Order: sequence, then structure tokens, then C-alpha cells
Amino acid sequence: KNQVEQSPQSLIILEGKNCTLQCNYTVSPFSNLRWYKQDTGRGPVSLTIMTFSENTKSNGRYTATLDADTKQSSLHITASQLSDSASYICVVSDTSSGGSYIPTFGRGTSLIVHP
Amino acid sequence: EAEVAQSPRYKITEKSQAVAFWCDPISGHATLYWYRQILGQGPELLVQFQDESVVDDSQLPKDRFSAERLKGVDSTLKIQPAELGDSAMYLCASSLGSGAKNIQYFGAGTRLSVL
Repeated sequence: KNQVEQSPQSLIILEGKNCTLQCNYTVSPFSNLRWYKQDTGRGPVSLTIMTFSENTKSNGRYTATLDADTKQSSLHITASQLSDSASYICVVSDTSSGGSYIPTFGRGTSLIVHP
Repeated sequence: EAEVAQSPRYKITEKSQAVAFWCDPISGHATLYWYRQILGQGPELLVQFQDESVVDDSQLPKDRFSAERLKGVDSTLKIQPAELGDSAMYLCASSLGSGAKNIQYFGAGTRLSVL
């Protein structure tokens, strides 16, 4: 069964500090990996998407890395801001026999940025 | 900026009652997804549509849940009868297609409370 594990479950940091969130997956056959940011009470918003051949992708202060060999990804947040407080969800999609891409969601890492 | 519209935002119902959620995807998006998100967990895919056809509904509890997208545009998710364990956030997402790099855009969700 496809699984996506995220760590840590929650994280508290001070404003201005950097942090790194981890994602390990056992999805096969691998298609793509995405990181989403979900503010409380809102739907997730896409941050980055990477396919097998991409090992890094940046979106402003967010940088995602992918190691397809070890099936690991990380999301690095630089110079954190209060608005970064949210849940960060790792989503890995496989390639179904019908040609669609079925996503498996991680449980998310809850990040709290304190002033 | 175009958004995925969902209604209602909140729904409170008693167990054994019927409930329905509506989703209007971004115009031109062929792929539509319904997810259920229990508090503190990542979203779980319930059903995926490609135009009006169901691509994947393997996680949809078909004894009580039904989903339709009759004209390939907006969609309705129904629960009948609702159970206490159905209390969750129901998220709708859409994407241009189901290809590897298609970003899913999420609506704000419908929060269901079953009493």
C-alpha cells in the first residue's frame, strides 16, 4: 500500500529562523511529489511539484528537494515569517494503469512561527 | 484569480440525515477531486472525475456516499445516512488534467459536523 510519512508532526520556531520538514514515501510507480501549505480552515495551496528527474525546486523562501533513490523529500523554509504558520502536506502521486495520477497525502507537519 | 467554489462552508446535521455538498471547479478544469480531511490528518481521496467519468472511487464508502458530475462541470457529493464518524472537512479540488504536472487547486472546503 502506498504510504507517505512526514516528520516532525509539529514544529515551533522563532521568526527569522530556518527549518526543514521531511517526507518519506513508499509510492510506486512514482510520478511526482508535491508540497502544499494549508492554513487553518482553508484548502491546501500548492508550493512546489517535482517529477522523477528533478531534485530541487524553489518557490520564494521555500525550497523542496527530492531524492528518488532513497524516496525522501524535504521542504526547507528560509527566514521564517509569522505567515508561515500552517500545516505543510507532502503529496506523492503514482501512475495508475489508466494513465491517471493517484495522489497519496501525508498527515502534514504543523509549523508554528513565534515572534 | 479563478477559484474552486464550494458550498456550504459549514454544515451541521444529525446522524441518519442526508447531506449534500456542491463544488464548482475552475473553468476549463477537466479533472475534479473530492477529499475528506479528518482534523489533524492529511486529505484522503474519495473520488476523482475526468470530465463526467469516475476515474477512481476506490476509497468512497459506496453504501452511504455518492458523487456525480453529470455535465462534466460542477459536482455534488452526497452522504445518506450521515454517521458520527463522517464529521470532517470535505475538500474539492480541480486541475486542468490528470497529467503528472497538473496542479490541484483546492476550494475552502465544507466542514461537516454530525451530531
